[in-house]
Amino acid sequence: EVQLVESGGGLVQPGGSLRLSCAASGFTFSSYWMSWVRQAPGKGLEWVANIHPDESEKYYVDSVRGRFAVSRDNAKNLLYLQMNSLRVEDTAVYYCARFRSTTWSSPPDCWGQGTLVTVSS
Amino acid sequence: DIQMTQSPSSLSASVGDRVTISCRATQDISTYLAWYQQKPGKPPNLLIYAASTLQSGVPSRFSGSGSGTDFTLTISSLQPEDFATYYCQKYSSAPWTFGQGTKVEIK
Repeated sequence: EVQLVESGGGLVQPGGSLRLSCAASGFTFSSYWMSWVRQAPGKGLEWVANIHPDESEKYYVDSVRGRFAVSRDNAKNLLYLQMNSLRVEDTAVYYCARFRSTTWSSPPDCWGQGTLVTVSS
Repeated sequence: DIQMTQSPSSLSASVGDRVTISCRATQDISTYLAWYQQKPGKPPNLLIYAASTLQSGVPSRFSGSGSGTDFTLTISSLQPEDFATYYCQKYSSAPWTFGQGTKVEIK
């Protein structure tokens, strides 16, 4: 069974940093593109970042580029999102998700339960 | 960047109704379009990919159509468990933008 479990969320002050982790199991993690998607309280879904299986390609939404960094450890089946210079508007539930197939041309089909990041003074 | 616009933003419908949700892209995205269902407090659930391909395990009352810039999600006969928010997402290229969502409520 495919499982994705996020961790690392919490309360942080504006300007602070946080690193989210996503532990993957039940599939060959090193073969799949992965995504981070977030959802602010009461709002819609916002795609944040994608990462290639070997980290050769990374993509970010404009609002986080230069502040957030996606990475992965294929030996440990872990996906990360390093978030720096956090802003109040980064407050959201952050989901990790696995692409449906091993190519870039597929949407995410498996999602974690999410971890809440709250940026507030 | 390509923008995705869903309509309507919300709708009220009864069990058994046929429901149609639209998603429009500002540029041609071929059929790189997915539809998700999300219930409160839960992650999204993939319903349709490649604009019209039903994800495994999704009931056949859900269907998708369209290509290029105009897409539609149809629920042929609304069931109680279908009351939720629905999102489209383009995945033709970065950014992998979502529509703003359509909330389907009970009439």
